[in-house]
Amino acid sequence: GEDVEQSLFLSVREGDSSVINCTYTDSSSTYLYWYKQEPGAGLQLLTYIFSNMDMKQDQRLTVLLNKKDKHLSLRIADTQTGDSAIYFCAERWDFGNEKLTFGTGTRLTIIP
Amino acid sequence: DAGVTQSPTHLIKTRGQQVTLRCSPKSGHDTVSWYQQALGQGPQFIFQYYEEEERQRGNFPDRFSGHQFPNYSSELNVNALLLGDSALYLCASSLSAQRGYEQYFGPGTRLTVT
Repeated sequence: GEDVEQSLFLSVREGDSSVINCTYTDSSSTYLYWYKQEPGAGLQLLTYIFSNMDMKQDQRLTVLLNKKDKHLSLRIADTQTGDSAIYFCAERWDFGNEKLTFGTGTRLTIIP
Repeated sequence: DAGVTQSPTHLIKTRGQQVTLRCSPKSGHDTVSWYQQALGQGPQFIFQYYEEEERQRGNFPDRFSGHQFPNYSSELNVNALLLGDSALYLCASSLSAQRGYEQYFGPGTRLTVT
């Protein structure tokens, strides 16, 4: 079934690391994505990971994938006030299935 | 290099009316997808257009229809508007030949149905 789950809220002190978690239900997912949405704006693609990878790092962002547990996480190092936003994970089931299935989003709040 | 653009930014319509939303894809992209994002929710896939045809469709009624033009731009049409159609409508573009299938989103059109 289609059910991508995320925690609704996360508060992190400025300068600390943020870890946003996501679980998905379909082990045949080919690609898993992280998007950022700021208030009143569209979605910004942050990064994505192919299902045969365990980890991907891009500057302050680290994505970890545990296929056995169907668990995806996004770590943001040295969290800044500009990182305040809603973060969505999304899955694409398999090659040829074009749609992205999104979670409900995690609102990240930065504490000064 | 222009990103994905959408028009209008905001729209207010009355129940029962029809609406058309427009999207221009990122330069070089040939595929357009439309999503509906209700308040406090993640985006829901409506449909995708490639080579001027609907390639895949989500669980939306036939009141939702679309079109893709030869220049790859796209329209989303919604007929017989319901109050529940109030949402942010997002357009995403991608390049079909690209592995990873990165979809880049526009800023959205906020539709309010009264």
